[in-house]
Amino acid sequence: GEDVEQSLFLSVREGDSSVINCTYTDSSSTYLYWYKQEPGAGLQLLTYIFSNMDMKQDQRLTVLLNKKDKHLSLRIADTQTGDSAIYFCAEGWYSNASKIIFGSGTRLSIQP
Amino acid sequence: DAGVTQSPTHLIKTRGQHVTLRCSPISGHKSVSWYQQVLGQGPQFIFQYYEKEERGRGNFPDRFSARQFPNYSSELNVNALLLGDSALYLCASRVRDSLLYGYTFGSGTRLTVV
Repeated sequence: GEDVEQSLFLSVREGDSSVINCTYTDSSSTYLYWYKQEPGAGLQLLTYIFSNMDMKQDQRLTVLLNKKDKHLSLRIADTQTGDSAIYFCAEGWYSNASKIIFGSGTRLSIQP
Repeated sequence: DAGVTQSPTHLIKTRGQHVTLRCSPISGHKSVSWYQQVLGQGPQFIFQYYEKEERGRGNFPDRFSARQFPNYSSELNVNALLLGDSALYLCASRVRDSLLYGYTFGSGTRLTVV
């Protein structure tokens, strides 16, 4: 089946690293995504990783994929107040490009 | 460049009524998808259209329908509204019908059914 799970909340101090975790059930997924949603806004695609990759780095963002454990993580280095948002993990399939399954989101709070 | 625009931004309807939500994709984007986001949850896939054809449908009742017009804009229609239809409805567009192209989301239409 298709299911994506995330923890609901994460609180970190400004300047620390944030690590947001996600587990998924369908190992046939082709792409895994991280989206960011700020209050009152739509979803913003932060980054994505192909299922044949282990890691992807993009400036302050590092995505790690463990296919064996079906675990995806997003690390945000030097977390800033502007990083406060809800972060969604999502998976997509090359065989069915129309559908992307989202997790329930992790609310990231930044403490001064 | 304008992003994905949705109208209206907020809407209040009564149970049993019908609603039409509208979406204009980014210029040049031919694929449009609709998602429902209930408070506290992730978006749930409703429909995807590409080149005016339905390419995918999520697990939603027949009360939900959509269409895409020749200019690639799209409408989502919901009949016989239920209280449980209250949600943020998100429209997303991408250039082509491929996972290689990421979705750009609009800010959504907040529908409240009373």
